[in-house]
Amino acid sequence: QVHLVESGGGVVQPGGSLRLSCTTSGFSFSTYRMHWVRQAPGRGLEWVGLIASDGSNQYYADSVKGRFTMSRDNSKNTLSLQMSRLRPEDTAVYYCTKDQSIAESGEGGFDYWGQGTQVTVSS
Amino acid sequence: SYEVTQPVSISVALGQTATITCGGDSIGLKNVHWYQQRPGQAPVLVIYRDSLRPSGIPERFSASNWGNTATLTISRAQADDEADYYCQLWDSASAWVFGGGTKLTVL
Repeated sequence: QVHLVESGGGVVQPGGSLRLSCTTSGFSFSTYRMHWVRQAPGRGLEWVGLIASDGSNQYYADSVKGRFTMSRDNSKNTLSLQMSRLRPEDTAVYYCTKDQSIAESGEGGFDYWGQGTQVTVSS
Repeated sequence: SYEVTQPVSISVALGQTATITCGGDSIGLKNVHWYQQRPGQAPVLVIYRDSLRPSGIPERFSASNWGNTATLTISRAQADDEADYYCQLWDSASAWVFGGGTKLTVL
C-alpha cells in the first residue's frame, strides 16, 4: 500500500523558516514526480511546486518562488520542502502528493496524498 | 495565467444527478482531473484525464471535457458524496492549476 506521511509543521513567526518532510512507502519513489499542495483555512487547493523524479528540476508557484525549495532523497524515499521568509498568507495545511504519470506533466493527476501538516505563520 | 471557474456550491436531492462544471478557455484541449475532498480529509482523485476513473471509484462518477467546459457528473447521489470537488489541469504557462472548488450538498 502507498503511504505518504508529512511532518515538520508548526507555528513560526513571519520572516522565519520551516522545513517540511514527507516520508513515502509502497511505490517506486524514484520513478515519479512529486508535488506539494497547500490549503489555507477555509480556502481551496493551491499547487505549491513539483520536483522531477531524479530531482534535477523543480517548478514553483509564483506565490512561493524564491522563498521555497523542494528537494528529494531517492535513497530514503523522502521529499522535503524548505520554506523561508514565511508570510502570514503561507498559513495552510501542506500536502505531499504523488504524480500519477511518468509521462509528460498533465497526463495524470495526483493519485496519492498524505494527510497534511499544518503550518501557521503568526507573531 | 490560465484560470478555471467552478460554481461555488450546488445542491442535489438524494438519488438524483449532480453536475459540476469547470470552465476555461479551450479547456477541452487539456487533460482535466477531478478531486473529492470531504471535510477534514485529504483530497481523493476521482477522475483523471477527462473521463477515466481510478480503481475503487464508483461508476456513478463520470466526466467529460469539450470546448470551454469540463463536467463532473455524479449519478444517484448519496449522502456520502457530500464534499468539495476540485477540477485541475496542467497549463504550460501556468503549471498546475486548480479550480476554486465546488461544495456539493446532498439534500
